[in-house]
Amino acid sequence: DTEVTQTPKHLVMGMTNKKSLKCEQHMGHRAMYWYKQKAKKPPELMFVYSYEKLSINESVPSRFSPECPNSSLLNLHLHALQPEDSALYLCASSQEAGTNTEAFFGQGTRLTVV
Amino acid sequence: DAKTTQPPSMDCAEGRAANLPCNHSTISGNEYVYWYRQIHSQGPQYIIHGLKNNETNEMASLIITEDRKSSTLILPHATLRDTAVYYCIVFAGGTSYGKLTFGQGTILTVHP
Repeated sequence: DTEVTQTPKHLVMGMTNKKSLKCEQHMGHRAMYWYKQKAKKPPELMFVYSYEKLSINESVPSRFSPECPNSSLLNLHLHALQPEDSALYLCASSQEAGTNTEAFFGQGTRLTVV
Repeated sequence: DAKTTQPPSMDCAEGRAANLPCNHSTISGNEYVYWYRQIHSQGPQYIIHGLKNNETNEMASLIITEDRKSSTLILPHATLRDTAVYYCIVFAGGTSYGKLTFGQGTILTVHP
């Protein structure tokens, strides 16, 4: 199984809502990542988890709150988002952060904030 | 991490080889060259990576110049399904601790 599964595929939320994005992998990878991608732009790194600990936060606003409950799961909790946060949110995993191995990406969650 | 420069777009005829260039003139000795691609509305897909030797796998070949300042990704027989954005990334692993940073990429369009 070389898949990274993201749910939901699409999400529409209001600015006062709280929602969560979920990411799951069963490849035994110990590094997991969240990226944000706006239309016609490259993915931008948001967070890196290594061995279930947050190792990199790319100055992401606190309305985005990551969580890694175990080595297979990565969540992104969303609260009080703005319309400009509408984007494709991508999750990825790799064997370990900081090693020269490939990263596997999920298909993303397309988020629309209204 | 070293920055990369890629042409914004390229065209290729179906069945021909697609050669995608990438400049990374500030690459360090311990930095690898990675290639990913992203087909419309999907997550990026790993293609290949290398340090200084040429590499080949079932998807593509990677040619890195001797001075390592540039590289070329070769798709030997392009198909319509190879139409995608191709990203060249320079990544040092340990020193970057997982910061796989995407540049603007090259939009490859394969024509019938």
